[in-house]
Amino acid sequence: QSVLTQPPSASGTPGQGVTISCSGSGSNIGNNFVYWYQQFPGTAPKLLIYMNNQRPSGVPDRFSGSNSGTSASLAISGLRSEDEADYYCAAWDDSLSGRVFGGGTKLTVL
Amino acid sequence: EVQLVESGGGLVQPGGSLRLSCVVSGFTFSNYIMNWVRQAPGKGLEWISYISVTGRTNYYADSVKGRFTISRDNAKNSLYLQMNSLGDEDTAVYYCARDKDSSTWFDYWGPGTLVTVSS
Repeated sequence: QSVLTQPPSASGTPGQGVTISCSGSGSNIGNNFVYWYQQFPGTAPKLLIYMNNQRPSGVPDRFSGSNSGTSASLAISGLRSEDEADYYCAAWDDSLSGRVFGGGTKLTVL
Repeated sequence: EVQLVESGGGLVQPGGSLRLSCVVSGFTFSNYIMNWVRQAPGKGLEWISYISVTGRTNYYADSVKGRFTISRDNAKNSLYLQMNSLGDEDTAVYYCARDKDSSTWFDYWGPGTLVTVSS
């Protein structure tokens, strides 16, 4: 059971927008930055969003992050087939004194 | 070009030990915080350990605390993970990952090395 809770799956059609949620608590998302990663099968994850809503260079602005209280969201607009991947949120947890990941969300582009 | 390459994975019996290495290039290793993250087959990501630039500050996930030890040799551009008392639950691909800075986690990752714990 992950400390951060994500839906196991999400889907959308090309051109649509989709939002992936990440639910935590006051000891993690409520008090610390949230990070998002994208992972394709058989490859290492890639940093997508840092410090809640910042994109590294090279990440399209179709990807955006936001926070509200003890929850965070990753929004993807203008879905493309190449966005089909697993997405993970992460944050520092004050109670555990460690970094925690969400369980991951598998995004399917129909 | 930034590169991280893990090695040392393989098949080990339950209760056994293994030492993973991560050799980096393309950046000044001694300036960066480093981490180990693992992923069990078909499962999600699990952060397991962090080491400061000097090696004096370490953090561990509860699942590995007391069994795993992270270390680094800045002169050799290398990160290590000593794993003892291995159990089935430690079977996973192990990734080393760099922090760009204290607010930018895991900006570069290695391709991973597979550790299989089985008799």
